[in-house]
Order: sequence, then structure tokens, then C-alpha cells
Amino acid sequence: DAKTTQPPSMDCAEGRAANLPCNHSTISGNEYVYWYRQIHSQGPQYIIHGLKNNETNEMASLIITEDRKSSTLILPHATLRDTAVYYCIVRVGGMNRDDKIIFGKGTRLHILP
Amino acid sequence: EAQVTQNPRYLITVTGKKLTVTCSQNMNHEYMSWYRQDPGLGLRQIYYSMNVEVTDKGDVPEGYKVSRKEKRNFPLILESPSPNQTSLYFCASSLTGTFSYEQYFGPGTRLTVT
Repeated sequence: DAKTTQPPSMDCAEGRAANLPCNHSTISGNEYVYWYRQIHSQGPQYIIHGLKNNETNEMASLIITEDRKSSTLILPHATLRDTAVYYCIVRVGGMNRDDKIIFGKGTRLHILP
Repeated sequence: EAQVTQNPRYLITVTGKKLTVTCSQNMNHEYMSWYRQDPGLGLRQIYYSMNVEVTDKGDVPEGYKVSRKEKRNFPLILESPSPNQTSLYFCASSLTGTFSYEQYFGPGTRLTVT
């Protein structure tokens, strides 16, 4: 089973901020939160990741709650090209022998013109 | 250009005919992985490799084999393909180490087994 829970779909108006939630209530102290997205049937694309601090890059911001049990990916000004399936995963950092990765079903984000 | 390549991109085959899908990365990554993607099921990990000669089962390893003889290559082998292995397959790679790193994905291989 996936270690994360996401809503199956969301809509967002073009130009507005898209806020995608993710629940990871069983996250361990050494697990990072990662976000990827997949446009059509292309290979998934990395967006951002974090451990406990909020992170921002040129694509998005990641807000992680203080207890680390949930997070939100923010696309500040959504465009039609942001229409994709967004995956939230948790993954252990470091040289871990058991580094199986579980993606789950993700959130299908529709950007509305 | 840093990339993960997969070949072939499209393959139609018949039940029982052995096939290999190749995966290669040019980023000197230790970690490599294979996923399959089916409608409504998201991405599911088949096998992964932490480094050369080290492979482990993911969530759905049945019916697949892998090998990691060189760091850059991680082929996926279907010894006796069956129709339920019709799927979209992705290879991915990343660094490992003290910190955690993002995965880079290949373009995908669409396999149809009749």
C-alpha cells in the first residue's frame, strides 16, 4: 500500500494557485516527501522534495506541517501546461538497503481556462 | 545531455516469447528502478537496484527478471511474457547517499503481449 493519500482529482482556474494536499501520517523521521508529476503518458518529472522545512524552487513550493504528517504542493500561478497527474511519495534518505518506492495513484489536476 | 534511455519504445509480442527492454543512464547514478503503469493503478515498482550486482524486488516483481552488471545499464527481462504484462514501463535512476535525491525517468516503453 502507498504510504501517502491524495485526492483523486482537483480543478484549478488558470492563473490561480493550485494547492495539492498529501497525507503521510505514518512518515518516519528519515523519510523525505517527494513530488513528481506526469503529463499524459510521459515519464514522471521531479518537482520538489523536502524533509521538514518548507521548500521552494522555480516550479513550486512545498509546505510540510510541523508534525510532518501532511504536506501541500503549491503551484503559484497555474497554467494549462500544469494539467497532469501529481504524485506525492515518501522515500528514505541515505544508503538504505530497503529503498522500495511506492507511488500511489496520485491527483489528477485539471487547469481550467 | 543527462538522460535515461529505454529501448524499444514500443513493442508488440506474443505470449511466451522472451524479451528484454533495455535501460541506460549516463549520470553515474547508483540507484535504478523499473516501474509499470496501468490505468487506474498508478506507477508500481517492479524491481530496483541500489548498485552494481545488488537488486531487490519492488511491489510487483512476479514474471520479471533484472540484472545490474554495469552501473549504467539495468535491463528488464520477461522470460515468458503473458497478456497481463501488457503495460507502460518506465525506467528511472537516481543518486543515493547521505542525502536523498530525485529520480530521473526514461520516456517509457509501451508493451503489448497478445
